[in-house]
Amino acid sequence: NAGVMQNPRHLVRRRGQEARLRCSPMKGHSHVYWYRQLPEEGLKFMVYLQKENIIDESGMPKERFSAEFPKEGPSILRIQQVVRGDSAAYFCASAFLASGTHNEQFFGPGTRLTVL
Amino acid sequence: AQSVTQPDIHITVSEGASLELRCNYSYGATPYLFWYVQSPGQGLQLLLKYFSGDTLVQGIKGFEAEFKRSQSSFNLRKPSVHWSDAAEYFCAVGGIDGGGADGLTFGKGTHLIIQP
Repeated sequence: NAGVMQNPRHLVRRRGQEARLRCSPMKGHSHVYWYRQLPEEGLKFMVYLQKENIIDESGMPKERFSAEFPKEGPSILRIQQVVRGDSAAYFCASAFLASGTHNEQFFGPGTRLTVL
Repeated sequence: AQSVTQPDIHITVSEGASLELRCNYSYGATPYLFWYVQSPGQGLQLLLKYFSGDTLVQGIKGFEAEFKRSQSSFNLRKPSVHWSDAAEYFCAVGGIDGGGADGLTFGKGTHLIIQP
C-alpha cells in the first residue's frame, strides 16, 4: 500500500505566477488535510477536505489560496499570484475515518515551494 | 483555542544518554496527542499517539510518552538515544470536537542534536 504521494517535491515560481500542489491520499482514505510549514516553525493547519467537499478551511488565507478534492484524482492546493511569503513546505495528510475512531493522519513527503 | 508548547527549541544529548522532550498543551476537551519526527527535507513520521486508556504509551524506535492530565503534558522519552535519532520532533494535539476529524495543532518543534 503506497503512502501519501505529493508532487512535485520541489516547485519554483516567480512572483505573480500560480502554484498547483497535488496530493494523492493513501488507498482507501477519503479525508485529506493540508498543512503549511514556514522555516523554523511547526506545521499550521490550512484545510480539511473530503471527496468533493471542503469541511474546514479555517486555516486558509482568505485570498489567493484554494483547495479541492474531486471525486476522481488527487487533491489540489492552488495558490494564485504567489508572493515571496508563500515560500514554505506544504504537507498533505490523509486519514480513514470510521465511526467511533479518531483520524490517524498519514503525512506525505511535502512540496517545497520557493517563490523568487 | 487549542495550542501546543514545546519549550525547548534545541536539545543536545550524548549518544547513549536518556532523553526527555517536553510538550504542554491547551485544549478544552478530551485531547488526542501525538508525537511526530521529521528528518531534514522529509515528511513527518508518527512516533506514538494517545487517545485514551493507559497514560503511558509506547511507540516506535524505542520511544514512549506519558500523558499527565493534571499537568497538561505529554512528554516524550527514550532511555538511550542513537545518533540516528537526530531530527526535529513535533508534538501535536487533535480532538473529538469534530468527530475525531480535526486538523492537528502542532508545536514549533524541538531540534534534537546527538553528540558522539
